[in-house]
Amino acid sequence: NAGVTQTPKFRVLKTGQSMTLLCAQDMNHEYMYWYRQDPGMGLRLIHYSVGEGTTAKGEVPDGYNVSRLKKQNFLLGLESAAPSQTSVYFCASSYSHSGSIDEQFFGPGTRLTVL
Amino acid sequence: DQQVKQNSPSLSVQEGRISILNCDYTNSMFDYFLWYKKYPAEGPTFLISISSIKDKNEDGRFTVFLNKSAKHLSLHIVPSQPGDSAVYFCAASAGGSNYKLTFGKGTLLTVNP
Repeated sequence: NAGVTQTPKFRVLKTGQSMTLLCAQDMNHEYMYWYRQDPGMGLRLIHYSVGEGTTAKGEVPDGYNVSRLKKQNFLLGLESAAPSQTSVYFCASSYSHSGSIDEQFFGPGTRLTVL
Repeated sequence: DQQVKQNSPSLSVQEGRISILNCDYTNSMFDYFLWYKKYPAEGPTFLISISSIKDKNEDGRFTVFLNKSAKHLSLHIVPSQPGDSAVYFCAASAGGSNYKLTFGKGTLLTVNP
């Protein structure tokens, strides 16, 4: 199993450009998440999904959109990139079953720089 | 308002000694806590967790202690090894929304040979 994979690994954008980050998981997990990590800030939840076709806002959703058209994929879009979106982006997924919490499995990250 | 706090940005210990990483939380609704470990240029990996119905959970060299009254948890690593050098994140989850984690800012642990 590949686990959680992210594409691309690195990207440099100019202000105003758009891009899509792709996350894929092969563990048949229901839940998927997008986080950003900034120096000294830990991981902050951007958007998440509790199943195919569903998405919800996290802690810092402004400037991002997401889609979960297939269970195994979770896309994060930046419509008009801003320098404040320079960050490392992590995708994660987790299994779900009632009465218990499973740990989240993380991808390797995408380092995005917006000039 | 930071709900999960790791007040020590870094910690340095000698190989073979104990490493103690601390985490405080403010949200009394949190009832499940996890520790993640992160190496540079990699994603975080799950290390150990504890439910609020317990006060201790042990897994090999790693033990997590929870003090609910103080809203404090700690991760003990004994004995510490150079390969344990990484950033450690404390994370917490609140019952009903159990799929969302709130992370602390992390503590960089350096284990010196």
